[in-house]
Amino acid sequence: AQRVTQPEKLLSVFKGAPVELKCNYSYSGSPELFWYVQYSRQRLQLLLRHISRESIKGFTADLNKGETSFHLKKPFAQEEDSAMYYCALTLLSGAGSYQLTFGKGTKLSVIP
Amino acid sequence: DTGVSQDPRHKITKRGQNVTFRCDPISEHNRLYWYRQTLGQGPEFLTYFQNEAQLEKSRLLSDRFSAERPKGSFSTLEIQRTEQGDSAMYLCASSFAYGYTFGSGTRLTVV
Repeated sequence: AQRVTQPEKLLSVFKGAPVELKCNYSYSGSPELFWYVQYSRQRLQLLLRHISRESIKGFTADLNKGETSFHLKKPFAQEEDSAMYYCALTLLSGAGSYQLTFGKGTKLSVIP
Repeated sequence: DTGVSQDPRHKITKRGQNVTFRCDPISEHNRLYWYRQTLGQGPEFLTYFQNEAQLEKSRLLSDRFSAERPKGSFSTLEIQRTEQGDSAMYLCASSFAYGYTFGSGTRLTVV
């Protein structure tokens, strides 16, 4: 069965410092990987997906199949980045669903 | 279209009572999902609809849980004979494919 591991429950960094949120996954196939973010009092929303190779709000994530990792990075943290971040993977099931498997999340706190 | 709407936002119920939640997805989305999130955990998949057909159910979905999506539009999730372990945030999401849009969730507290 697939699994997503986010080893840090809480990560505190100073404003302007680099950020790296770790995510490791276990799955024998080739899943699609995502990062979701939940700001305070807001709904869960998609931050980025590995297939699009884009940078959103200065964040990037590279899929490393050898290390089965999908770490989220940003060179300079901003206070507005403080939020809960979830790594997730999906695979297309036989029933046609894109069921997501989430990690437990990492709370990022950016200190002014 | 204002996105995925869930109602109610909060529900407090006594153990043993039945509760029903509603989800209104984005109208063009044919896929609808229910997830459950407990404290300190990421969301966990409960069930999936494609149009009106319920095509997948997680083992988390005991026989006290039932979900419907009549006419392929809104969906309801009912929990019968609630237990304290059912206390959680219940999230609905809709999509075409990968791109989920989540609702704000319904927070259930069973006392």
